[in-house]
This record gives sequence, C-alpha cells and structure tokens, in this order.
Amino acid sequence: GAVVSQHPSRVICKSGTSVKIECRSLDFQATTMFWYRQFPKQSLMLMATSNEGSKATYEQGVEKDKFLINHASLTLSTLTVTSAHPEDSSFYICSAGLLRETQYFGPGTRLLVL
Amino acid sequence: EDQVTQSPEALRLQEGESSSLNCSYTVSGLRGLFWYRQDPGKGPEFLFTLYSAGEEKEKERLKATLTKKESFLHITAPKPEDSATYLCAVQAQNAGGTSYGKLTFGQGTILTVHP
Repeated sequence: GAVVSQHPSRVICKSGTSVKIECRSLDFQATTMFWYRQFPKQSLMLMATSNEGSKATYEQGVEKDKFLINHASLTLSTLTVTSAHPEDSSFYICSAGLLRETQYFGPGTRLLVL
Repeated sequence: EDQVTQSPEALRLQEGESSSLNCSYTVSGLRGLFWYRQDPGKGPEFLFTLYSAGEEKEKERLKATLTKKESFLHITAPKPEDSATYLCAVQAQNAGGTSYGKLTFGQGTILTVHP
C-alpha cells in the first residue's frame, strides 16, 4: 500500500516551453500533496503544499506564477513549470499523505531544460 | 524555526560492521520524526515514524530510537544493499494553516557498505 506515482520520470524540453508533471496516489486518497525540488547532493526543498480543491501554499522564494500547482482530486496533483529555463533543471519529487500522517514519496521527475 | 541536523555527512562501513546515524532536531512541539531511505535518482522510501521520546521501531537490520532532542538510526550487520542516503525529517505538532503536515528535512547521511 501507499504507492505514489509520478509521470513523466524524465523530461527534456527547450527553453521557454512549459512542462507538466503529474503526481498520483494509487491506493489511497491524499488530503494533502507536497512538491519538492532536489539539487544534486542536497536534501529536499519544499516548494509548495497543495490541498484538494483549494489553492496551493507556496514556500518563501518560490514563484507561484512559475510553478503552477493544481490538486483537482484526492488522488491527483499536477505541477506545471511555465516558460522553463535551464535554471529550472532539477529533480522534482511529490509526496502524498493523509491528514498529519506519513508522507509517501513518488519516484521523482528529472527535468532538463536546454 | 524547525531545524534538523544529521551526522555524519557520510559513513563508510564494512559489511557486518554495525553503526549508528544521528539526527538532532529542534522543533516547536514534535508531531512526528520520520526516517527515509533514498537511492540515487529515486524518491525517498519511508522507513519509520516515531512520535514520542523513548519510542523504538525496528525493520530488518534497522532500528530507530527517539529522545527529546535526537533520533538514532542503528544499523546492525549492514549489507551492501543498505548503501543509500538516509534522511531524517520532523513534523511540528502545532503545524496549522500553511504549515500543515510540512516536513523539515536534514541534509542526510550517505551510507556506503563495502562487501
């Protein structure tokens, strides 16, 4: 149980394009989903928290117009990187959890912007 | 502000050589302390949740313990397949509103077990 999937696992795009990453909880309903970014040899940095049916809450320094988050259902959240640039290249990981309980992480999405 | 510090940054062990990883934390009321394992290029894999001082949990060669200031992850007779980065994270008790459920992560300990 507690499986979280992400799609795609890897994406390469040209600078200026937008990229959408999906995060799904496969065997449970997640009240809250979280989006993280991880740079090489560094720990996870929380970008935003999304609750089903409401606006996402972004961490300080994260541009909400740059990283659009939609949490349309209790099993699906999407992160769209708009007008991606090379500095947006990173490893993006989502997690899903029930209220105040353990977060289960997806396998991550490697984004490379050329 | 919640803080998590893990030590050592990297640990090299011989197969069968037991050791411990440390996670020191400061948090405004602990809701839970979490241990995860992360392999290169993958998302973190959940290992344990600890809720109160004195609590212990075990899974195969791993045992996690918790005090009011720190947690230890004990690895008994490790094998090469235990090589990974081990992450510790805390969740605050009074997390509400925008902080609800938020985890604060340490930098991780990179464990390498040689055969």
